[in-house]
Amino acid sequence: NAGVTQTPKFRILKIGQSMTLQCAQDMNHNYMYWYRQDPGMGLKLIYYSVGAGITDKGEVPNGYNVSRSTTEDFPLRLELAAPSQTSVYFCASSYSFAGQGSSYEQYFGPGTRLTVT
Amino acid sequence: EDQVTQSPEALRLQEGESSSLNCSYTVSGLRGLFWYRQDPGKGPEFLFTLYSAGEEKEKERLKATLTKKESFLHITAPKPEDSATYLCAVLPYGGATNKLIFGTGTLLAVQP
Repeated sequence: NAGVTQTPKFRILKIGQSMTLQCAQDMNHNYMYWYRQDPGMGLKLIYYSVGAGITDKGEVPNGYNVSRSTTEDFPLRLELAAPSQTSVYFCASSYSFAGQGSSYEQYFGPGTRLTVT
Repeated sequence: EDQVTQSPEALRLQEGESSSLNCSYTVSGLRGLFWYRQDPGKGPEFLFTLYSAGEEKEKERLKATLTKKESFLHITAPKPEDSATYLCAVLPYGGATNKLIFGTGTLLAVQP
């Protein structure tokens, strides 16, 4: 299994440009998450999804959008990039269902380092 | 408000010098506590899950313990390859979203 994969690894955007960060997992996890990590600030949840077709906002959703049309993919869209969106972005996934056997730990991708200038 | 605090922010050890990292948490109810290791330029790597006070988990030189208010990550006879940032996260009870609350991490440097 490749686990959680993210592309691109690095990207530089100009203010006002848009882009999509790709995330895919091959572990058949139902939950997927997008975080941003800024120095000294810890991981902040942007958006999450509990299954295909279901998404919801996390702590810091402004300026971002997501969709989840399949179990495997969870892209993050940045519209009208701003310098405040300069960060490292991580995608994660986990498996959980009502009943015994849920483990809750999240598995992370390698990250995308984004700079907006 | 649910909160996670890690200390110290940074720790420098000599190879072989054992120590502990602390993760204090405030949640209305704890479903699970998680430890991750993060190397520079990489994503967090899952280490342990602890579910109830008194529980312990071990992996090589690392041992995680849990009380009702905090968790410790004990590092025994560390090696330079143990150098990394160690993150703690909690999963509170309530809801079906499985949203973790992360601390800001402890940066560990082990010198040969």
